[in-house]
Amino acid sequence: DTAVSQTPKYLVTQMGNDKSIKCEQNLGHDTMYWYKQDSKKFLKIMFSYNNKELIINETVPNRFSPKSPDKAHLNLHINSLELGDSAVYFCASSQSLAEETQYFGPGTRLLVL
Amino acid sequence: QKEVEQNSGPLSVPEGAIASLNCTYSDRGSQSFFWYRQYSGKSPELIMSIYSNGDKEDGRFTAQLNKASQYVSLLIRDSQPSDSATYLCAVSRGSTLGRLYFGRGTQLTVWP
Repeated sequence: DTAVSQTPKYLVTQMGNDKSIKCEQNLGHDTMYWYKQDSKKFLKIMFSYNNKELIINETVPNRFSPKSPDKAHLNLHINSLELGDSAVYFCASSQSLAEETQYFGPGTRLLVL
Repeated sequence: QKEVEQNSGPLSVPEGAIASLNCTYSDRGSQSFFWYRQYSGKSPELIMSIYSNGDKEDGRFTAQLNKASQYVSLLIRDSQPSDSATYLCAVSRGSTLGRLYFGRGTQLTVWP
């Protein structure tokens, strides 16, 4: 009964390719997030959505495009992948924007060759 | 100046000792403070949250907050090898709902 799930778990791809990562939460939460964690463990927010509405859009290349078809799902599409995109991408959710306790998914390990 | 700073470690303590993890933050308006534990290859897991000055205890964990000094710490009593992980400090300003600022984490090793 996974609360926040992500697919795929691992993604190995060539530079220049386009790929998507999917996230689903079954907690009934209103707010979802995408984080990027680099090789030095620094966890940085990329996007957040509240009830399908984009709330936070950090300084992220526009090759990254999030999409929330409904409040239980938040996907991340990446165009023209670059070597520097290699990282672990975590999806998270919280009850609401005001509720700051965030629950993380298992992560997607992206390696761009 | 980074939003949230932590000693990267590694911090190494013997089993049964007290591990002390420290975190400072730059924004005086910060209101909520969190400690996440991240095992190698796993996702961050919330272990403590603290919102007001003083100590908050939960089992072997104690979070301490001093807003005047812009300082938050996590004490782990009776450390166990299973506590070996990276501990991430996260801070919320409150002005931007839903936005957590994370430190780079402190790697803790508890040796038997």
